[in-house]
Amino acid sequence: GAGVSQTPSNKVTEKGKYVELRCDPISGHTALYWYRQSLGQGPEFLIYFQGTGAADDSGLPNDRFFAVRPEGSVSTLKIQRTERGDSAVYLCASSVYMNTEAFFGQGTRLTVV
Amino acid sequence: GNSVTQMEGPVTLSEEAFLTINCTYTATGYPSLFWYVQYPGEGLQLLLKATKADDKGSNKGFEATYRKETTSFHLEKGSVQVSDSAVYFCALLATDSWGKFQFGAGTQVVVTP
Repeated sequence: GAGVSQTPSNKVTEKGKYVELRCDPISGHTALYWYRQSLGQGPEFLIYFQGTGAADDSGLPNDRFFAVRPEGSVSTLKIQRTERGDSAVYLCASSVYMNTEAFFGQGTRLTVV
Repeated sequence: GNSVTQMEGPVTLSEEAFLTINCTYTATGYPSLFWYVQYPGEGLQLLLKATKADDKGSNKGFEATYRKETTSFHLEKGSVQVSDSAVYFCALLATDSWGKFQFGAGTQVVVTP
């Protein structure tokens, strides 16, 4: 596709469950980012990849959050033992390289009930 | 640390009015600066960017000039339309933290006919 694709667009899960959010970046983009956006706030950095490796994961809130990008393209954000406070829109973005503008997907709205 | 501060919204304007959204930043070195826009129900879209001091970014009638002396990147449009109603985010990418976009809280703009 032409843009960054995120699936699912909406996810409702019960507290304590495990969820996976998928991101398919723009073809050829080496950098991939995950952000989290709560209502009325700007996106908050979680992690970014340059190629297959996590170059900076300092924004992950705790060890329940983990992300992978095994082949340098698609990435999955994994959240274990979800909590109600994890409810937010999770945004994925990609860029040609880490010091260029990022292009965002539509986001996955996660609701933990 | 790096940070972005932008004016609080909502900003309510009549069609054809002049729009200014203030953005100031704190960063080490020479960051790249961006404005992103989020239309209702849509993802973040890059509106414009500037990568060095005195650069002017422009797109869709919007402009912003990178002012290092005042650490500002104010967004302006001379004549807004109803279709410009959206949330606007100022962001920076600092040289000491490549890959880690820092966003402001966003400014909601409402344009009435």
